[in-house]
Amino acid sequence: GAGVSQSPRYKVAKRGQDVALRCDPISGHVSLFWYQQALGQGPEFLTYFQNEAQLDKSGLPSDRFFAERPEGSVSTLKIQRTQQEDSAVYLCASSPSGGSKYFGPGTRLTVL
Amino acid sequence: DAKTTQPPSMDCAEGRAANLPCNHSTISGNEYVYWYRQIHSQGPQYIIHGLKNNETNEMASLIITEDRKSSTLILPHATLRDTAVYYCIVREYTGGFKTIFGAGTRLFVKA
Repeated sequence: GAGVSQSPRYKVAKRGQDVALRCDPISGHVSLFWYQQALGQGPEFLTYFQNEAQLDKSGLPSDRFFAERPEGSVSTLKIQRTQQEDSAVYLCASSPSGGSKYFGPGTRLTVL
Repeated sequence: DAKTTQPPSMDCAEGRAANLPCNHSTISGNEYVYWYRQIHSQGPQYIIHGLKNNETNEMASLIITEDRKSSTLILPHATLRDTAVYYCIVREYTGGFKTIFGAGTRLFVKA
């Protein structure tokens, strides 16, 4: 398909486990964003890439969160030693220029 | 960031126009107004954006007041599938076009 895809769509982790969430942006999109969305709230910015460079990671809530985009296309958001408060939907978006964003369906993470 | 204020929820009858207001009184001169919506269990979807002129596309119209302190998103003929949370956003530029979402307006379109 032509849209942003994310995998897995659902992830259940035991507290303390590490998880990796994948985002496949729209081909050719330079900018890639990760957001976290808690139940009933709007998405909150986590981090931003322009090509392979991570230009803004001010929204990452702790050093347990790490994102990479090594070849400027696919990105992975890794959460180490998951905690219950990490339970949320993680949204990825891409953009050709950083303006209008195209969002994926999200990965729903549940930490037990 | 310029903050936005939206009503938490609104109802609209199917087939009628839905007018969603947004206040952004601290918007600066180079900041755009963007609208996104989020249908249940989906990622946000871009609708429209504008700087100071009114804009229209196949999804909606955006009316921005002359002083740019408020705007209205208009869905001209709302359908049941337009039921969603609508986010009004003023785009911040920090080298990454970071988009700050608020709580949005939950629009219920009723038959």
